[in-house]
Amino acid sequence: KNQVEQSPQSLIILEGKNCTLQCNYTVSPFSNLRWYKQDTGRGPVSLTIMTFSENTKSNGRYTATLDADTKQSSLHITASQLSDSASYICVVMEGYSTLTFGKGTMLLVSP
Amino acid sequence: GAVVSQHPSRVICKSGTSVKIECRSLDFQATTMFWYRQFPKKSLMLMATSNEGSKATYEQGVEKDKFLINHASLTLSTLTVTSAHPEDSSFYICSARAETGGHTGELFFGEGSRLTVL
Repeated sequence: KNQVEQSPQSLIILEGKNCTLQCNYTVSPFSNLRWYKQDTGRGPVSLTIMTFSENTKSNGRYTATLDADTKQSSLHITASQLSDSASYICVVMEGYSTLTFGKGTMLLVSP
Repeated sequence: GAVVSQHPSRVICKSGTSVKIECRSLDFQATTMFWYRQFPKKSLMLMATSNEGSKATYEQGVEKDKFLINHASLTLSTLTVTSAHPEDSSFYICSARAETGGHTGELFFGEGSRLTVL
């Protein structure tokens, strides 16, 4: 069964600090891996999309990495801001349309 | 960027009534749209895949007669919760995969619709 496991489940960091969220998957055949940010009560917003050949992709203060051999991805947030408080969801696509969602990491940035 | 619009964003209804939620892709066409349900502090659960011009594909455990899906055009899918009960109260989110325009291939989510059944 295809699975996407995210860790940690929740995280609290001080404003200005960096953090790294992890995503391990067993989805096969792999098509792409996406990181989404979901604010409470809102729909998810795409941060990055990574294909098999991409190792690193940045979007502002967000940097995603992908190791297709070990089937691991990480999302690094630099110089965190209060507005980064949200749920971060890792989604892996199998083939053309089948998506497997992780349970998300709830990040709280405190002042 | 591409936008997926959901309406209404919040709805409160009485038990036994039906509620329709719309999902529109505003600047791209989407043959396929997806409907999810999300409980508090939980991840999205795929309910069904909506296919333009054909019947929706429902995930195991999702009642097709309870959650009616219609995908009448390349930019609109609707989810109707029939004979709603309090246990149907939830956050419903749609997504659409862009098949035209500058974001072809990307998946965009709507803002979600919070349903409260009294």
